[in-house]
Amino acid sequence: GAVVSQHPSRVICKSGTSVKIECRSLDFQATTMFWYRQFPKQSLMLMATSNEGSKATYEQGVEKDKFLINHASLTLSTLTVTSAHPEDSSFYICSVEGRRHTEAFFGQGTRLTVV
Amino acid sequence: SQQGEEDPQALSIQEGENATMNCSYKTSINNLQWYRQNSGRGLVHLILIRSNEREKHSGRLRVTLDTSKKSSSLLITASRAADTASYFCATDGGNQFYFGTGTSLTVIP
Repeated sequence: GAVVSQHPSRVICKSGTSVKIECRSLDFQATTMFWYRQFPKQSLMLMATSNEGSKATYEQGVEKDKFLINHASLTLSTLTVTSAHPEDSSFYICSVEGRRHTEAFFGQGTRLTVV
Repeated sequence: SQQGEEDPQALSIQEGENATMNCSYKTSINNLQWYRQNSGRGLVHLILIRSNEREKHSGRLRVTLDTSKKSSSLLITASRAADTASYFCATDGGNQFYFGTGTSLTVIP
């Protein structure tokens, strides 16, 4: 199966700074990647769909200017949390849809703590 | 990382029938969640069951959890063609999040 690498796994940053999270598809080219956020003891919430070569599609309530997504190549999507605040502290995870739509492969996740 | 297993991998039923999917996991959990994914779309959260709960209902969905067997099942009653999708279980152990391999459900009109 496909391998998805997400980096970093943990990051602590100061309030007001920006943090970039990378999601790489190692086995195949992914035209679409998904970004999720999970608050403690809650479910994953889809934030946005990252489309290679075009703008990301954001879910309702997700600020596109705060969560910048770049999908510049078929193997890499990045999520940048800009001007991070403590309330942005969360677990962020990316996923890639497999060649068959029945497959989904997930990154290891990034635990962001904003202090 | 995906450490859960789901069965069956694929399921095809007639509209109106019930669909049952099973999920097994390996670690101790705080809760278990079920998601669906349509082709080209991201995961959509369906239902969350906590480790101290045994059964939960939401509309046509019924989820059971057996922590002694480290397993869960998702039952979709009176299936519809629109239920055709992939279904994933995910376990939240507090520090890490694990997904099952998914079950592809096809509901034939």
